[in-house]
Amino acid sequence: TQLLEQSPQFLSIQEGENLTVYCNSSSVFSSLQWYRQEPGEGPVLLVTVVTGGEVKKLKRLTFQFGDARKDSSLHITAAQTGDTGLYLCAGATYNNNDMRFGAGTRLTVKP
Amino acid sequence: DAGVIQSPRHEVTEMGQEVTLRCKPISGHNSLFWYRQTMMRGLELLIYFNNNVPIDDSGMPEDRFSAKMPNASFSTLKIQPSEPRDSAVYFCASSRSGGDTDTQYFGPGTRLTVL
Repeated sequence: TQLLEQSPQFLSIQEGENLTVYCNSSSVFSSLQWYRQEPGEGPVLLVTVVTGGEVKKLKRLTFQFGDARKDSSLHITAAQTGDTGLYLCAGATYNNNDMRFGAGTRLTVKP
Repeated sequence: DAGVIQSPRHEVTEMGQEVTLRCKPISGHNSLFWYRQTMMRGLELLIYFNNNVPIDDSGMPEDRFSAKMPNASFSTLKIQPSEPRDSAVYFCASSRSGGDTDTQYFGPGTRLTVL
């Protein structure tokens, strides 16, 4: 089983729609990161959240870290075709410094 | 500045052969990570180094896998002998200090196919 469960696994929407993807765990994380990966490339960091309840915005993307530091969400407003990709969350627990990744949400935004 | 460099980009080999994947981290970065990505298992951490020293190799599947970092600018991941189930994309990433809030910069990956 994955330390981090991401949902949904696949998401296909039309351009202009809003969406939310989730990253959940039973473990508490010292920090959590979101990455986006495009085909044929490595993941690229979008944001790092470190404080329970923290909300960070990156243009049309809003990231939230749960109060209990066990979960996170990524909300995209007015999705564009360029948002298409694999969205990965990664968390570091207090026991280990290394980041563990979820399986990802594969987002397709259709024109 | 050059990012993380990996070679080869693609490798096709036959079962039983030795495979060596190479990585050059970003200059000045002290931590290096090796990951494996498959559709079934997602992105898995295999091993990471800090200041050229292996810190956590608990993700290395079995004795057929080994990794070295002889200096700050080079690392290898070796599979000997290779098996079809090793087919995956292998990523190398580096970060400045390996801290949990550090940004990891990923290379383009090596797509390995073992026939």
